[in-house]
Amino acid sequence: SQTIHQWPATLVQPVGSPLSLECTVEGTSNPNLYWYRQAAGRGLQLLFYSVGIGQISSEVPQNLSASRPQDRQFILSSKKLLLSDSGFYLCAWTSLRRTGELFFGEGSRLTVL
Amino acid sequence: TQLLEQSPQFLSIQEGENLTVYCNSSSVFSSLQWYRQEPGEGPVLLVTVVTGGEVKKLKRLTFQFGDARKDSSLHITAAQPGDTGLYLCAGDRSGTGNQFYFGTGTSLTVIP
Repeated sequence: SQTIHQWPATLVQPVGSPLSLECTVEGTSNPNLYWYRQAAGRGLQLLFYSVGIGQISSEVPQNLSASRPQDRQFILSSKKLLLSDSGFYLCAWTSLRRTGELFFGEGSRLTVL
Repeated sequence: TQLLEQSPQFLSIQEGENLTVYCNSSSVFSSLQWYRQEPGEGPVLLVTVVTGGEVKKLKRLTFQFGDARKDSSLHITAAQPGDTGLYLCAGDRSGTGNQFYFGTGTSLTVIP
């Protein structure tokens, strides 16, 4: 069966510090991978998606970046965090064979102080 | 700006009542999904609709996709406390399963 994991689950970082969130998928190959950000009680904002290794599409211009060094690994990074980067970050994957259903990781809650 | 607007944003009802949540857009989507999310967890898929005018029923939940594939609704009959959660619609605009945009969310509380 397929599983998705992301870490860390909780992160408290000072303004200006770097960020690295990791996400891995097991049990499938060549998944589409996504990073979303969610404000409390609100919808999800699509940040990045990837259809293959090294292929990253950015939806929102900001100080965040994403990389896909391996087929089932997706990394969200920042060189210098802003207060506005605080939020709940969710990694997700989908396979076209599953008619586009998104499967989400456990989420990473980032607080920038 | 959000591609998909949901209404209402918050809903608090008594157990046994009916409710409808709306998801509207000016864009056309090849498919539209509804998810339910618990606090601190990722959303979980409830249903996918792909054909304009399509209606799907999942026990007490009825989902409808608009004829023009720009809007959708979720109707819950006889709501129960277990229905409490954040309901999210999500649309695939690309048709390739690459770009999923989520709605603004509807937070539902069912009071026993």
